[in-house]
Amino acid sequence: GESVGLHLPTLSVQEGDNSIINCAYSNSASDYFIWYKQESGKGPQFIIDIRSNMDKRQGQRVTVLLNKTVKHLSLQIAATQPGDSAVYFCAENMPPGSSNTGKLIFGQGTTLQVKP
Amino acid sequence: GAVVSQHPSWVICKSGTSVKIECRSLDFQATTMFWYRQFPKQSLMLMATSNEGSKATYEQGVEKDKFLINHASLTLSTLTVTSAHPEDSSFYICSAETSGRAGETQYFGPGTRLLVL
Repeated sequence: GESVGLHLPTLSVQEGDNSIINCAYSNSASDYFIWYKQESGKGPQFIIDIRSNMDKRQGQRVTVLLNKTVKHLSLQIAATQPGDSAVYFCAENMPPGSSNTGKLIFGQGTTLQVKP
Repeated sequence: GAVVSQHPSWVICKSGTSVKIECRSLDFQATTMFWYRQFPKQSLMLMATSNEGSKATYEQGVEKDKFLINHASLTLSTLTVTSAHPEDSSFYICSAETSGRAGETQYFGPGTRLLVL
């Protein structure tokens, strides 16, 4: 049967350009955030994480920015490569004391297409 | 390090049969494992949280009698889809945490694609 659901937004970029993928999270008390990359038919792969006491963290070619005021998270990929093509999910970790402590709540996801 | 495997990677079964999916942490002990379901073009939805030696905690709307979870050891959790029907066809993904402290990174398995005919 036909599946019904949200279609993932798509970001299309030229190889070599920088990519910015955005995410809005739901719980202002969340204290830990993670970005995952998921290639077709595979499980999510950890990219980078950030705790709520930081507003920026850098990895290799990737930077995560956290704006707690507006509950916004972004992933910046420098010099995007064809191998970066995948679906990217942000996830927030529910804080201690909540009924969902320790659980990851995933965002909608964004498909990144890199054009050669 | 922190490798999680799943078996099988894909399975096709007839409607009404039961299917067991295994999730193993290969190089670490996982106090907590999680089971997710993902439909095409959608995000991951948490089904249940599994702690070694205790009963799994299911998310709202997930039938515990249909999705049986067993976490018999610190390196193995199984999900059994009982009396599977076509609407159970999905991509099932497990994850494992290395520590009992909330907020630790979860490491994900490669997923199991289930197709029920």
